[in-house]
Amino acid sequence: DAGITQSPRHKVTETGTPVTLRCHQTENHRYMYWYRQDPGHGLRLIHYSYGVKDTDKGEVSDGYSVSRSKTEDFLLTLESATSSQTSVYFCATKTSGNTGELFFGEGSRLTVL
Amino acid sequence: QKEVEQDPGPLSVPEGAIVSLNCTYSNSAFQYFMWYRQYSRKGPELLMYTYSSGNKEDGRFTAQVDKSSKYISLFIRDSQPSDSATYLCAMSGSSGANNLFFGTGTRLTVIP
Repeated sequence: DAGITQSPRHKVTETGTPVTLRCHQTENHRYMYWYRQDPGHGLRLIHYSYGVKDTDKGEVSDGYSVSRSKTEDFLLTLESATSSQTSVYFCATKTSGNTGELFFGEGSRLTVL
Repeated sequence: QKEVEQDPGPLSVPEGAIVSLNCTYSNSAFQYFMWYRQYSRKGPELLMYTYSSGNKEDGRFTAQVDKSSKYISLFIRDSQPSDSATYLCAMSGSSGANNLFFGTGTRLTVIP
């Protein structure tokens, strides 16, 4: 198993509060991704990183920001959580090379009341 | 229209059956095709990976890609209860995983 750890695994918060999800990898993979998974929508890309301090937006980036100050850590921040951001969030990593083999973490289940 | 369409199921089959899972897509630029398996409350894991058209076999699993019909399939032979999971198709163009499109997943249950 790729060493990908997400924290927290479960969180309940209230509308308007900031939330940060952390992804930590031990594989030294260059690329890291944040997805959200919702019924009827599947996995959708929020943001991704292609190196330290190098990030880009995905399909559903509004309301989210990310940071990557070290190779092993990729943070996802919801500055002011809304109920529409209730979801399961997955971090994924990938080695260099143009393939689709992503290694996923176990997910972080976020509920915004 | 979604980039990738996948029947969500659920699909229930008896142990030993042959299972066929399918996805259609609209973007003719897609050239990398994948199947991921996701157990309940877990992250997806890569099951099969195919570049361009053709078949690929790995044990009881066979992936088929028909680019002319924009249709991909995953066949599971001699299905086992341990195959019970959600199967996600995924595909991308030349940008690879930085622009990976997932289907919504088909939930499969194999009944002993």
